[in-house]
Amino acid sequence: EDQVTQSPEALRLQEGESSSLNCSYTVSGLRGLFWYRQDPGKGPEFLFTLYSAGEEKEKERLKATLTKKESFLHITAPKPEDSATYLCAVSRDSNYQLIWGAGTKLIIKP
Amino acid sequence: DTEVTQTPKHLVMGMTNKKSLKCEQHMGHRAMYWYKQKAKKPPELMFVYSYEKLSINESVPSRFSPECPNSSLLNLHLHALQPEDSALYLCASSRGTPNYGYTFGSGTRLTVV
Repeated sequence: EDQVTQSPEALRLQEGESSSLNCSYTVSGLRGLFWYRQDPGKGPEFLFTLYSAGEEKEKERLKATLTKKESFLHITAPKPEDSATYLCAVSRDSNYQLIWGAGTKLIIKP
Repeated sequence: DTEVTQTPKHLVMGMTNKKSLKCEQHMGHRAMYWYKQKAKKPPELMFVYSYEKLSINESVPSRFSPECPNSSLLNLHLHALQPEDSALYLCASSRGTPNYGYTFGSGTRLTVV
């Protein structure tokens, strides 16, 4: 069965303390893996799309990487404004549906 | 314009009311989506419109009725909802298939009383 699992469920860091969020997947016919950021009561904000193993993308303090089984979202020297829920999702074949992970709630303390 | 605009932002409705949620995008995206999101859960797909035609209906109850009047607009008509339908309703759009990523609106917070 196609599945996306994110870990940890929640992560509390001090400002400046770098860490990584994990998204592991079992999907047949992976077309793309997506990272979104979601603030409370708002819609998810698109961050990255990764298409093939070995691919990396960066945006400010965030860097996303992809292997054949998982993706990591590395956050370097985070700031309190990076606090949010980070969602991972995958698309398969030529399907309009995304399979979503449950998300990781990231809290950065000043 | 790189936004998906949803109105209203908040809606409180009784179980006998009829209301509509609206969504608009001007990015030329040809696929539009309605999602439902409960607290601390990921979004759940409800409907997909591709080139203004309904292509996916995820077994959503008939009290939710989608409509796509044109390539920029998407409506969700609500009738006889239940309290458990209270949630954040999200509209999204994508260029074609979601392989390029969705753009989400800010959502409508719906409360059914």
